[in-house]
Amino acid sequence: DQQVKQNSPSLSVQEGRISILNCDYTNSMFDYFLWYKKYPAEGPTFLISISSIKDKNEDGRFTVFLNKSAKHLSLHIVPSQPGDSAVYFCAASSALTGTASKLTFGTGTRLQVTL
Amino acid sequence: NAGVTQTPKFQVLKTGQSMTLQCAQDMNHEYMSWYRQDPGMGLRLIHYSVGAGITDQGEVPNGYNVSRSTTEDFPLRLLSAAPSQTSVYFCASNPGRWALNQPQHFGDGTRLSIL
Repeated sequence: DQQVKQNSPSLSVQEGRISILNCDYTNSMFDYFLWYKKYPAEGPTFLISISSIKDKNEDGRFTVFLNKSAKHLSLHIVPSQPGDSAVYFCAASSALTGTASKLTFGTGTRLQVTL
Repeated sequence: NAGVTQTPKFQVLKTGQSMTLQCAQDMNHEYMSWYRQDPGMGLRLIHYSVGAGITDQGEVPNGYNVSRSTTEDFPLRLLSAAPSQTSVYFCASNPGRWALNQPQHFGDGTRLSIL
């Protein structure tokens, strides 16, 4: 049972436009959510996170929105740049099961930013 | 600053062989984890450790052993490799209980093929 779902395997966006990546979760015990970016042949790198006590967190061009009632989060990238082309993973954890040591990942969305 | 270092980067094994995937971090992080990434499945937690001498199972522990004798090192052992263990393996670390919402830092992975 996939507890964290990224239903769009791929997304193509023009440079300068907004990229919106979506993630849904089913486990109501999740209280901390992260987005990781991954280039080929490299490990995932942390991008941005949000705690369940917030509904928005912003860091430069990246904003994550959390809708707890819908169990949905999204990552907005504005403006999109060619260097943003990568696979983006949504991940979640729960304070009850070990926030810092146990992440549940989605299957990833491949973002391609075109010129 | 090396961060999380994984060795080897690539390995080919025959079914039934054993090997150890090495992981070392130089950030004095308390928590360390092993994940595997398979096509279309995101990253799945194999084993994790919350400190030297303490390990626990993740989502897919079967066929793997771990130990944590030092803070820096967290090796993953395959005792009898099987083709189903063909995957990319990632090691991760983060500070620990005094920084529960600090994100995990990942190594660049070990690509393992079992023939």
